[in-house]
Amino acid sequence: DAKTTQPTSMDCAEGRAANLPCNHSTISGNEYVYWYRQIHSQGPQYIIHGLKNNETNEMASLIITEDRKSSTLILPHATLRDTAVYYCIVRVALRSGYSTLTFGKGTMLLVSP
Amino acid sequence: GAGVSQSPSNKVTEKGKDVELRCDPISGHTALYWYRQSLGQGLEFLIYFQGNSAPDKSGLPSDRFSAERTGGSVSTLTIQRTQQEDSAVYLCASSQTPLALYDGAVQDVEQFFGPGTRLTVL
Repeated sequence: DAKTTQPTSMDCAEGRAANLPCNHSTISGNEYVYWYRQIHSQGPQYIIHGLKNNETNEMASLIITEDRKSSTLILPHATLRDTAVYYCIVRVALRSGYSTLTFGKGTMLLVSP
Repeated sequence: GAGVSQSPSNKVTEKGKDVELRCDPISGHTALYWYRQSLGQGLEFLIYFQGNSAPDKSGLPSDRFSAERTGGSVSTLTIQRTQQEDSAVYLCASSQTPLALYDGAVQDVEQFFGPGTRLTVL
């Protein structure tokens, strides 16, 4: 039961900003939003996470709407190496009471020359 | 420092055989996770270890699947009597501190993933 929805695929020209949207309309008020990416044949790699304030690190920026029902991951200057599947994730509860990150199908970002 | 390592990187087996997949987490990481990724699908959570104990096994797809962790370090995922639908990439991840009990208020720490083991059941 995915708690996030993302477009299946997106294209971006090298050097341009890549803006990857994510809807998480059922997010609870104190749940974080996480972004990971998976380059072909590798394990997923953490990018960034946030609660309600916009966040920025060396990899990307995360913009979260005021109502927290959606967010956008921004890669400011996409390179060919940024071609990957990008996952937007909200924690989900397990039956035990613990929680885990549930990865949906993500967005396949293709960066072209 | 070394990252999460997994072995073997590829495993081809015949239907009905047992397989063991190994994960070496980052040294000092107390939490360890196993996921499965079938072709074209997202990651499916299997099991989580805190130290040597597994507080949640709810993701294991059947009783043919089991996992253990010894010494708070290496973990082994065992699949008995493999079936063709078990074919997938099995990913292991570790994190420095454990998953919180679900109260939504505590942020999970970053999970570091290994390269995965590609299992093919013929």
